[in-house]
Amino acid sequence: EPEVTQTPSHQVTQMGQEVILRCVPISNHLYFYWYRQILGQKVEFLVSFYNNEISEKSEIFDDQFSVERPDGSNFTLKIRSTKLEDSAMYFCASSLAGLSFSTDTQYFGPGTRLTVL
Amino acid sequence: ILNVEQSPQSLHVQEGDSTNFTCSFPSSNFYALHWYRWETAKSPEALFVMTLNGDEKKKGRISATLNTKEGYSYLYIKGSQPEDSATYLCASTQSPGGTSYGKLTFGQGTILTVHP
Repeated sequence: EPEVTQTPSHQVTQMGQEVILRCVPISNHLYFYWYRQILGQKVEFLVSFYNNEISEKSEIFDDQFSVERPDGSNFTLKIRSTKLEDSAMYFCASSLAGLSFSTDTQYFGPGTRLTVL
Repeated sequence: ILNVEQSPQSLHVQEGDSTNFTCSFPSSNFYALHWYRWETAKSPEALFVMTLNGDEKKKGRISATLNTKEGYSYLYIKGSQPEDSATYLCASTQSPGGTSYGKLTFGQGTILTVHP
């Protein structure tokens, strides 16, 4: 069964460093998302991406964050200058984007645990 | 601010027990309610997407109901097994502005432990 994959599974970085989190969505999916979960808190939406553009982003997704689909298979989240409060589990998700974005099932990857020291 | 709440926070049951938990969400501008099952170190697994008031979905021993008018959904597990132990997440898609691009707003999850 097709699945969303993410690399690395765990990333440790120093405050102020740039990190790139990588995701390979399911191959025929067209809609892509990033979410994160800070330890002990709810999973929260960061950004959605369709047709090589950001469709929607949250208040968390400021100028320090960017997303890119550099080729036909990868979807990346870059944090330019990491802060301590960026430590979280980051999830990538994808959906087929059929009739309705809101009712499509989103398929999640296993997450990348980012630790900022 | 959209608030999705789940209860209880955690639940311990014996193998064979049936159980249920609740997800509440704002009923205005509702689009869809998603249920996920999440085991530690694995990807959250999609269980159901529900859209219509009165909708009921079933997958094996797991079923869910939806009340969009009052803003709640119940997830039921019949005859719980140890392998059902996981965190169950619900998430709502809503559109205050009239357009939604699939943003999921999650509850805090219910942690289910099924004891043999």
